[in-house]
Amino acid sequence: QVQLVESGGGVVQPGRSLRLSCAASGFTFSTYGMHWVRQTPGKGLEWVAVISFDGSNRYSADSVKGRFTISRDNSKNTVYLQMNSLRAEDTAVYYCAKEEYDSSAYRYFDYWGQGTLVTVSS
Amino acid sequence: DIQMTQSPSSLSASVGDRVTITCRASQGITNFLAWFQQKPGKAPKPLIYAASSLQSGVPSKFSGSGSGTDFTLTISSLQPEDFATYYCQQYINYPFTFGPGTKVDIK
Repeated sequence: QVQLVESGGGVVQPGRSLRLSCAASGFTFSTYGMHWVRQTPGKGLEWVAVISFDGSNRYSADSVKGRFTISRDNSKNTVYLQMNSLRAEDTAVYYCAKEEYDSSAYRYFDYWGQGTLVTVSS
Repeated sequence: DIQMTQSPSSLSASVGDRVTITCRASQGITNFLAWFQQKPGKAPKPLIYAASSLQSGVPSKFSGSGSGTDFTLTISSLQPEDFATYYCQQYINYPFTFGPGTKVDIK
C-alpha cells in the first residue's frame, strides 16, 4: 500500500533554514511527480511546490519562490523541501502528496502523508 | 491565480440527511476539480477527482458534479463518520488552489 511519511519539522527561528523529507513506499516512486502542500489555521490549504517524476521540472508558489526548493532522490524514494529564510507566516503543517493522472493526463492528488509541523518563532 | 470559493462555510445536519456543498472557480476549469475530506488532526483524504470520479475505496454515497466554474459535492445519506471539513481544489494549472472549506457538523 502507498505510504508517504514526512519528517524534519520542528521549531525554528525566523531567518533560519529547515529541510523536510518525505519517504515514499508502495509504488514506483520514480514514475510520479510529487508535491508539497501546507496548511495553516488562518490561510487554509496552500499548494507549495511540485517536482516532476525525474526532477527535470519544478514549480513553486509565489509565496515561497526564491526561498524554498523542492528536490528528490529517486534512489532513496524521497522528496525534499529545503526551506530557507523562514518567516513566521511559513508556520504550518506541511504535507507531501503523490500525483496521479486523470484520463486527460492532468495531475491530481491521490495520496497524502500525515504531515509534519513547522513552527517559525523566536 | 484561480480563486476557489465554497458555500456554505459550515452546515449542521442530521444522520441520514442528504448534504450538498457548492464550489465555484473564478474562471473555467473544465472538470479539473477534486474534493477532499479532512477530520481534525488528520491529512486531507481524497474523495473525488475530475469533478465526478470517485477515488479508489471511496463509498458511492459521495458524488460530484459540475463543469466550467460551478461544482457540487453531494453526500447521499450522512453517517457519523462523514462529519468533517470538505475542500475543493482545482488542478488545471499552477498554482493549484483550494477552497476555504465547508465544515459539516452534527445538528
